[in-house]
Amino acid sequence: DVVMTQSPLSLPVTLGQPASISCRSSQSLVYSDGNTYLNWFQQRPGQSPRRLIYKVSNRDSGVPDRFSGSGSGTDFTLKISRVEAEDVGVYYCMQGTHWPGTFGQGTKVEIK
Amino acid sequence: EVQLVESGGVVVQPGGSLRLSCAASGFTFDDYAMHWVRQAPGKGLEWVSLISWDGGSTYYADSVKGRFTISRDNSKNSLYLQMNSLRAEDTALYYCARAWDFDYWGQGTLVTVSS
Repeated sequence: DVVMTQSPLSLPVTLGQPASISCRSSQSLVYSDGNTYLNWFQQRPGQSPRRLIYKVSNRDSGVPDRFSGSGSGTDFTLKISRVEAEDVGVYYCMQGTHWPGTFGQGTKVEIK
Repeated sequence: EVQLVESGGVVVQPGGSLRLSCAASGFTFDDYAMHWVRQAPGKGLEWVSLISWDGGSTYYADSVKGRFTISRDNSKNSLYLQMNSLRAEDTALYYCARAWDFDYWGQGTLVTVSS
């Protein structure tokens, strides 16, 4: 199975400051159709996961534009341009290129 | 509005069986593949199983293969997970999620395997 490795696992941030989470896969996530099936999910405390980003960089409907995804091949990044209080939670990357789909360990974002 | 509502989670003894359900609404259910994903207490997300839109193809994580069976009834807009030979390590919040790329999730149903 493809191993997804996130860093850091804990990310204390100051309100209004940027934050960045890295996700690396053990093999390339480029599929035979040319797409890269890398998603990012947010899980706020006590809530179910919510998809933020699909296919590396596409924001889901209703997701604030302070969230952005980038990367290619095996290296991917989720950035929050200015962290707000509602962004507290755990963020997971997940690959759907090679089945079974696999998730990263999660990165806990908290306010300093 | 897309809604996924899981049910059926209870406390069950090791070796026991359980069937989870996921009721879907707000979209054309039989247009989409569906997943089960679980989250052990305080832990991360683990994909469990996937079923194609018509039920013709099913996939399982190695950790549940041979013990769990995913199914769906498109006439009832419902997804199911039959769980047999349950183990303590199956204790988790079980979510259903829509589509190959997990675009919507339910709120989860808690399964506790304990004597």
